[in-house]
Amino acid sequence: DQQVKQNSPSLSVQEGRISILNCDYTNSMFDYFLWYKKYPAEGPTFLISISSIKDKNEDGRFTVFLNKSAKHLSLHIVPSQPGDSAVYFCAASKAGANSKLTFGKGITLSVRP
Amino acid sequence: NAGVMQNPRHLVRRRGQEARLRCSPMKGHSHVYWYRQLPEEGLKFMVYLQKENIIDESGMPKERFSAEFPKEGPSILRIQQVVRGDSAAYFCASSPQAGYNEQFFGPGTRLTVL
Repeated sequence: DQQVKQNSPSLSVQEGRISILNCDYTNSMFDYFLWYKKYPAEGPTFLISISSIKDKNEDGRFTVFLNKSAKHLSLHIVPSQPGDSAVYFCAASKAGANSKLTFGKGITLSVRP
Repeated sequence: NAGVMQNPRHLVRRRGQEARLRCSPMKGHSHVYWYRQLPEEGLKFMVYLQKENIIDESGMPKERFSAEFPKEGPSILRIQQVVRGDSAAYFCASSPQAGYNEQFFGPGTRLTVL
């Protein structure tokens, strides 16, 4: 029962172009969404997040969009850089004191120089 | 400003042995979450602990696995009588308070069961 889905296992883009990473969820109780970046043999690093009361959050080159009606979110990276090459995980949590995260399977992003 | 620390980074055990994984949260954080990542999978929640309390262990296998977060010292994830299927990366994350959504992850412990 995959409640957070990242259906594309990999994405390859040219340096300088936009990277768009997609994520879908099924549980309508989720109200907070996060993106983590992970390099091999390291732990996930928090990248950006969005609350369900918003539809967009921006931080430098990274923007996350949330479409609640479609239960869909996306991470845009503009411009993409070779150092962005990593695995990106979408995660979700519910409101309340317990903020345990439900993760997708991840997308491997490769940015070609 | 030390981040979340986990040790050992790599652990090799033979079937039937015990594995102990340690996690020291970030300074000032009293909430710890453990996750497991199997090959080609995302991270799966196992257990959520505060100091001296288990808050949510709904993701823990019913047998052989236990976790604690004592008043003093690191959080410990203990796996008894390990089997090959326990081979995975185990990540610990911490947060400063209940309901705080961003969690800060350690580098993980990679457990290999021979």
